[in-house]
Order: sequence, then structure tokens, then C-alpha cells
Amino acid sequence: EIVLTQSPGTLSLSPGERATLSCRASQSVSSNFLAWYQQKPGQAPRLLIYGASSRATGIPDRFSGSGSGTDFTLTISRLEPEDSAVYYCQQYGSSPRVFGQGTKVEIK
Amino acid sequence: EVELVESGGGLVKPGGSLRLSCSASGFTFSTYSMNWVRQAPGKGLEWVSSISSSSSFIYYADSVKGRFTISRDNTKNSLYLQMNSLRVEDTAVYFCASGRGAYYDSSYWGQGTLVTVSS
Repeated sequence: EIVLTQSPGTLSLSPGERATLSCRASQSVSSNFLAWYQQKPGQAPRLLIYGASSRATGIPDRFSGSGSGTDFTLTISRLEPEDSAVYYCQQYGSSPRVFGQGTKVEIK
Repeated sequence: EVELVESGGGLVKPGGSLRLSCSASGFTFSTYSMNWVRQAPGKGLEWVSSISSSSSFIYYADSVKGRFTISRDNTKNSLYLQMNSLRVEDTAVYFCASGRGAYYDSSYWGQGTLVTVSS
């Protein structure tokens, strides 16, 4: 079973700054089937990135994903207040399709 | 517009059963894989189960294997999760989510239904 470890646990940044979130897998993710989700309090998650680097429909281009194999990154190039949320990675290339534990992004 | 609406949650005693339903609209349900994901109060997301578009492939998390059964009815655009032998640790909001075609990432999500297992 693949284990996904996200870091940092919490990121506190100012509007306009760049956020870099990490997701590390315990073994290689098949076909780089790695997704990123955003979840705001009281809401369902929203798909941001699939296939490690493809933006989902309607996602602003300030969100970008990169990486392959075991190391993946979500970058938010210029933080906006509405980006305050918890971000999860998930590998969906094999079962079990585990999630990481999440990174909370706080906007100062 | 894609819409996923879960129902069937509620309060149940340990050892009891519950059947969740997810009604889908706005897309060709029969051609999409589907997922159940849960979130315990104040905790992160936990993948529960996935089913392929034709029900040929079914997957479960170890934590629910042998107790939960995922199924779908493509004629009714509906997804189900039969939950038996419920435990206190199954308490969570259960989300239904559509895959991206044959892929199992979750492109659209319902708002969730709360399952509380308590005596």
C-alpha cells in the first residue's frame, strides 16, 4: 500500500506570495496518477489537478502541479484570500487510492 | 450541470446497517467510474471504495472490506453503499464522487451525508 506524506502541515503566507505544497509517496505512483484537491470548511473537496500536472476544468492558472514517481508538488503562484483551505493529494493509480493527510494553507 | 446528491445517512447503533444512495445527473453516468470517500469529524479524507462504469471492477479500503458493498444501477443513474456491521469509527460524512471517465480521481463531488454510529 502506498503511503502519501504531505508537508508542511500548515502554511501561513500573505496574499500575493507563492505557496509550495509537497506530497511524497512511499513508492512510485503508477502512471503519475496523482491528484490534488482543495477543501474549504463545510464544503466538499474540489479537484484541482489530475495526472500530477493537468488542471481540472475551471481551475485558475495560478494553481499548478508538478513531479513524478514519488515526489509531487502543488504550487499556488500568487495567493489570494479565497485560497485559504486544506489541500489533499491522492494517488489513484492503484488500490487502495489513498489520500495524504492534508496541508492547511492560511492567508495572513 | 453535474449534480451528485447523497442520501440515507443517519444515526445507527454499533453492529447495525445502513444503505447510502447517490443520485447523479448532468453527465452520462453509465460511462463514469464512481467513488465513495469519507471524512470523520475534524479529520482528513479517507478513500472508501470505487466501482468501474460497468461494475466489472470493484475496490475497497481494508478498513471496510467484508462489511461494505458498493454497487450501481446505470438505469437509475444511482450509486449505492451498503454498510453492515457498522462500528463507531465508521462515523463520518460520506461523499459520493464521480471519476473522470475510466479514471478514479474524483472530478465532481456531492455535498455528503452524515453517518453517526453510536449507542
